[in-house]
Amino acid sequence: GAGVSQSPSNKVTEKGKDVELRCDPISGHTALYWYRQSLGQGLEFLIYFQGNSAPDKSGLPSDRFSAERTGGSVSTLTIQRTQQEDSAVYLCASSRRVGTDTQYFGPGTRLTVL
Amino acid sequence: AQRVTQPEKLLSVFKGAPVELKCNYSYSGSPELFWYVQYSRQRLQLLLRHISRESIKGFTADLNKGETSFHLKKPFAQEEDSAMYYCALSQGFQKLVFGTGTRLLVSP
Repeated sequence: GAGVSQSPSNKVTEKGKDVELRCDPISGHTALYWYRQSLGQGLEFLIYFQGNSAPDKSGLPSDRFSAERTGGSVSTLTIQRTQQEDSAVYLCASSRRVGTDTQYFGPGTRLTVL
Repeated sequence: AQRVTQPEKLLSVFKGAPVELKCNYSYSGSPELFWYVQYSRQRLQLLLRHISRESIKGFTADLNKGETSFHLKKPFAQEEDSAMYYCALSQGFQKLVFGTGTRLLVSP
């Protein structure tokens, strides 16, 4: 079956613009995660969604970052007023449930803020 | 605070040599530990998790709570093992905390 997909694969934007990154999880997976991988850094957790529960937003670095998950499936990560330090690869992952199952990762979106 | 440390950015070995990728962690509870691998131009994927106690592609990892380590080992490295390896810790079986990764390069 299809794995986790993300779009776009690459995004170049100018400082101060808003961007939206999309994630399509594996069908039937109720848990969805966003991570960020910056140059020279490991992967850092941003946010996760589990079913209809309130998301865990504890990893979002600032209030310029937000995420939604509509209908328990597709998720959008929005970064407002982008800064150069937002340049990174943004990875999405999904699992059948939070806590019990392997997280399957998407290919990532490489964001470059000029 | 939960933390995962991978002290080596790059590990270079010859084919057939033993490999050990180091991982140390700090965590106040009972950790769930993983190794993820990313081959060139592929997505990040799970290699193994400590609760499974299994060997994948010849790799094993043992959780040592006394030394707070979860080193990844393989007795005889192969060229196809060249990849980026990430050690990760699960907080309450939820979000993953990753190390900064070790690039393994296996030369012929």
